Amino acid sequence: QFQLVESGGGVVQPGRSLRLSCAVSGFTFSSFAMHWVRQAPGKGLEWVAVISYDGSNKYYADSVMGRFTISRDNSKNTLFLQVNSLRAEDTAVYYCARDRKQLVLGDAFDIWGQGTMVTVSS
Amino acid sequence: DIQMTQSPSSLSASVGDRVTITCRASQGISSWLVWYQQKPEKAPKCVIYAASSLQSGVPSRFSGSGSGTDFTLTISSLQPEDFATYYCQQYNSYPYTFGQGTKLEIK
Repeated sequence: QFQLVESGGGVVQPGRSLRLSCAVSGFTFSSFAMHWVRQAPGKGLEWVAVISYDGSNKYYADSVMGRFTISRDNSKNTLFLQVNSLRAEDTAVYYCARDRKQLVLGDAFDIWGQGTMVTVSS
Repeated sequence: DIQMTQSPSSLSASVGDRVTITCRASQGISSWLVWYQQKPEKAPKCVIYAASSLQSGVPSRFSGSGSGTDFTLTISSLQPEDFATYYCQQYNSYPYTFGQGTKLEIK
C-alpha cells in the first residue's frame, strides 16, 4: 500500500524555521519526482515546490523562492521541505504528493499524504 | 504564470443530476490538466489526468474533456459521495497553478 506520511509541522513565531518531512513507503521512492503543496485554512490549493526523482532539478513557487528548500534522501525514502523566514501567510496544511509517472519531472499528482499543519503566529 | 479560472465557484445539485464544471487556462496548456476531488479535512484525490484520462479506481461517471485553454469535468449521475470541492490544475509548466475550486453541495 502506497503511503506518504508528513511530519514536522507546528506553531512557530514569524521569522523562525521548520523542517518538514515526508516518509514514503510502498513504492520505489527514487523513481518519482515529488512535490509539496499547501492549503491555507479555508482556502484553495497552492503548489509550493518540486524535486526530480534524483534530486538534480528543483522548482519553486515565487511566494517561497529563497526561503524554502526542497530536498530528498533516496536512501531513507524521505522528502524534506526546509522552511525559513516564516511569515503569517505561510500558515497552511502542507501536503507532499507524488508524480503519477516514474522517471519524469512534471505530471499529475496521484498519491498525497495526509498533511502537516504549520501555524505561524507570535 | 498560467492563471486557472474555474466556474462556477459553487454549485448545488441533487443526487442523480448531471453536472459540469469548467476550467479555463490563461494560455494554452495542451492536455496537461488534472482534476482533483477534495473532501473536508482530507487530502485531494486525482480523478482525471491528461484532461480526459480516468484515474484508476475512479468511477466511470466522471469524465473530462478539453485541450488548449478550455476544459470541463462532468459527473454524469451524482452520487452522495461526490459532494466535495473540485480543483483543476495545470502541469504544463512551472509554477504549477490551481483553479480556485468549485464546491459541489447537495441541493
